[in-house]
Amino acid sequence: QLQMQESGPGLVKPSETLALTCSVSGGSISSGSHYWGWIRQPPGKGLECIGTIHYSGSTYYNPSLKSRVTISVDTSKNQFSLKLTSVTAADTAIYYCARQQGWEQPFDYWGQGTLVTVSS
Amino acid sequence: DIVMTQSPDSLAVSLGERATINCKSSQSVFYSSNNKNYLAWYQQKPGQPPKLLIYWASTRESGVPDRFSGSGSGTDFTLTISSLQAEDVAVYYCQQCYSIPLTFGGGTKVEIK
Repeated sequence: QLQMQESGPGLVKPSETLALTCSVSGGSISSGSHYWGWIRQPPGKGLECIGTIHYSGSTYYNPSLKSRVTISVDTSKNQFSLKLTSVTAADTAIYYCARQQGWEQPFDYWGQGTLVTVSS
Repeated sequence: DIVMTQSPDSLAVSLGERATINCKSSQSVFYSSNNKNYLAWYQQKPGQPPKLLIYWASTRESGVPDRFSGSGSGTDFTLTISSLQAEDVAVYYCQQCYSIPLTFGGGTKVEIK
């Protein structure tokens, strides 16, 4: 059974960089057609796709965040990571990592999510 | 971006009764090349991540009870819970997977009447 777990600081100061890692177990991040993504959810609000990455390094970013986002993959550790620069209070959210079944496919496995608060 | 609009925002249904949630996309999410609608439904319970229920508008994910069904095509879709159970209390989201960026509806909260 695939499991995914987010890790990283729960508190980030405004203007700094948010950095999270997703560790994948029970399956290889290098397997075929799957993409690996980040989705966020402000407290009490809806879901927003941040971006996804294929183990080959191919990425897609939400245009609304593209200038501030980097997603990378480390196949040797079976992990992928998110960096979001110049954060503001509007970036406060639960950040989920998830597996995408394929390009333009839904997310079928999710991590439990981690709350990141942007505050001084 | 494709805008996904769900209705209603919330609904209260008696146990054993039918719950119906609507989702409308700002443009068609139907691919004629493979005859599939790129529309998914998720269930999110408090404190939990979303759970994939249905993809391609009407295909149930493995392990999802058959009281959940999806229908629709093009721009108009429906999620139906045929006989509401207590464990179905949750927020339900639709998502289009037709074009980047993938976008979600605003959610529909289902409660027990």
